[in-house]
Amino acid sequence: QTVVTQEPSFSVSPGGTVTLTCGVTSGSVSTYYYPSWYQQTPGQAPRTLIYSTNTRSSGVPDRFSGSILGNKAALTITGAQADDESDYYCMLYMGSGIWVFGGGTKLTVL
Amino acid sequence: QLQLQESGPGLVKPSETLSLTCTVSGGSIVSSIYYWGWIRQPPGKGLEWIGSIYYSGSTYYNPSLKSRVTISGDTSKNQFSLKLSSVTAADTAVYYCARLSITIFGVVIHESWFDSWGQGTLVTVSS
Repeated sequence: QTVVTQEPSFSVSPGGTVTLTCGVTSGSVSTYYYPSWYQQTPGQAPRTLIYSTNTRSSGVPDRFSGSILGNKAALTITGAQADDESDYYCMLYMGSGIWVFGGGTKLTVL
Repeated sequence: QLQLQESGPGLVKPSETLSLTCTVSGGSIVSSIYYWGWIRQPPGKGLEWIGSIYYSGSTYYNPSLKSRVTISGDTSKNQFSLKLSSVTAADTAVYYCARLSITIFGVVIHESWFDSWGQGTLVTVSS
């Protein structure tokens, strides 16, 4: 089964820019994987940030953006704020009714 | 506003069957543009998709859990349910139900993302 890979951890300074990525162990991520991104703080349910590669969910600030960078899906946070410190998960649609989450990236803002 | 609420036992014995129900309010599960899914998260670990169901009853399951999982729907109650059999301690997790928004052409799913989540419920497997 294909594994979806994410950086285990990342840090960014307040006001800085960070790009988290989402890859697959076999091949490249394209828009046809319809990547989506979710933010989760401890004890809370995930919150949907981005879907279909680059569409922001309702109410999500425009400092969050999605794209394909090289062979991976990417989530970029521009002008990071303290409350962006969270776990971030990508999800890919593998086709044939199979969805796979990445292992998640723990983002620290310091 | 759509709301999803998980319910079920918080403690299940090893080898028994875990059963959870998701009650949906503020919207109908009978819709051609949504699947309804279950996702779990073991303590301190990441998210794992378990499976999803369409209003027609069509289901998809995570291949790694398929032999133990059954998801069903009750349109009269606007609910869908999860059964996971032969549980072990490894099945201890927070279980979330969620709505999966889809774009479908014929029978082929294209765009798909979870757009609304329940608050989650912790299920512990222990004797």
